Amino acid sequence: NAGVMQNPRHLVRRRGQEARLRCSPMKGHSHVYWYRQLPEEGLKFMVYLQKENIIDESGMPKERFSAEFPKEGPSILRIQQVVRGDSAAYFCASSPKADHTYEQYFGPGTRLTVT
Amino acid sequence: KQEVTQIPAALSVPEGENLVLNCSFTDSAIYNLQWFRQDPGKGLTSLLLIQSSQREQTSGRLNASLDKSSGRSTLYIAASQPGDSATYLCAFLLELIFGQGTELSVKP
Repeated sequence: NAGVMQNPRHLVRRRGQEARLRCSPMKGHSHVYWYRQLPEEGLKFMVYLQKENIIDESGMPKERFSAEFPKEGPSILRIQQVVRGDSAAYFCASSPKADHTYEQYFGPGTRLTVT
Repeated sequence: KQEVTQIPAALSVPEGENLVLNCSFTDSAIYNLQWFRQDPGKGLTSLLLIQSSQREQTSGRLNASLDKSSGRSTLYIAASQPGDSATYLCAFLLELIFGQGTELSVKP
């Protein structure tokens, strides 16, 4: 059973471009969480999704950021018109159920650099 | 709102020493707690999961405890090794709220 997969592992974008980060959860997992780790800061929750639904986006910046988890395919975190402050490591995690007894399994992260 | 604090921010110990990492939280209504390690430039590796009804979990040289009444969790590492050098993070609740981490350096 492959772990959580994220791609690309490294992404370089110029200011104003769009960044698309992909996350494939572990097989059998229907819950996906996205986190951001800014340089010199801790990990911050961004958004929690189930298939075709956004459950909690309280940690997502109000503008330029969006996330989806379609019925088929990976979850996508999309950042429009990137700025230098978006440079960070973005992690996704998955779990089989939204239940406190289940661990979240993390992917290796995508490191976004905005030049 | 849950706030999570990890002390110390950095720790350097000689190889073989036993050590304790601390994590404190403000809201005792937690659901679960995970301890992670993060190696430089890498993703998170889950170390231990403690459910709110449990008091501790053990895996090899690691032991994590949870005391909801005092708002604390500790990660105990026995007989530390240079390979243990990493940043250790604790996290709470379903949508994990992370502490800032403790950067551990084990000197050979």
